[in-house]
Amino acid sequence: DAGVIQSPRHEVTEMGQEVTLRCKPISGHDYLFWYRQTMMRGLELLIYFNNNVPIDDSGMPEDRFSAKMPNASFSTLKIQPSEPRDSAVYFCASSLWTSESSTDTQYFGPGTRLTVL
Amino acid sequence: GEDVEQSLFLSVREGDSSVINCTYTDSSSTYLYWYKQEPGAGLQLLTYIFSNMDMKQDQRLTVLLNKKDKHLSLRIADTQTGDSAIYFCAESITDDKIIFGKGTRLHILP
Repeated sequence: DAGVIQSPRHEVTEMGQEVTLRCKPISGHDYLFWYRQTMMRGLELLIYFNNNVPIDDSGMPEDRFSAKMPNASFSTLKIQPSEPRDSAVYFCASSLWTSESSTDTQYFGPGTRLTVL
Repeated sequence: GEDVEQSLFLSVREGDSSVINCTYTDSSSTYLYWYKQEPGAGLQLLTYIFSNMDMKQDQRLTVLLNKKDKHLSLRIADTQTGDSAIYFCAESITDDKIIFGKGTRLHILP
């Protein structure tokens, strides 16, 4: 398997523009997570889905942020309008929860580095 | 090299204090973090400490940092069943690199 795939790897945009980040989870995984990483706050969980349904979006910072998972193999994180303080690395991760295992390992994508000028 | 180590398991009786320990190797780390992972959920940032601090308290959580020994600890006072989870220690090296430990599974005994 190719692992979790994210695109683009780098995005530079101007303040006020719409930004869309994409993620393809590992095939068969039923959980998908979006994280944001900054020096000040480390890795922050933004939102996660189970079987394409958003379970917890309490980490989404503002209404400017939205995430969708239209099917099991694709998710987007959109920022509209973008602001300089949104500059960070955004990670997508996926996992498979099984009742036999008491832990669920998350597999991370390479991240998208977003710079908002 | 860069490494973060923590014990894999800890069992604590409900109502007692839990202390989870972590050691790291990179003395240039600027932030150190504690994350909590509950079953079926993502990593939740519990608290973080800047490297020039030696203690941070937030309700039932106390973080102690011994920079000389490169030792970080998380104390949870009055441990409850809801505290049962895996706790990850992490350090930031640069603005795009965070090193995680393998996690400590906290088990609460009745």
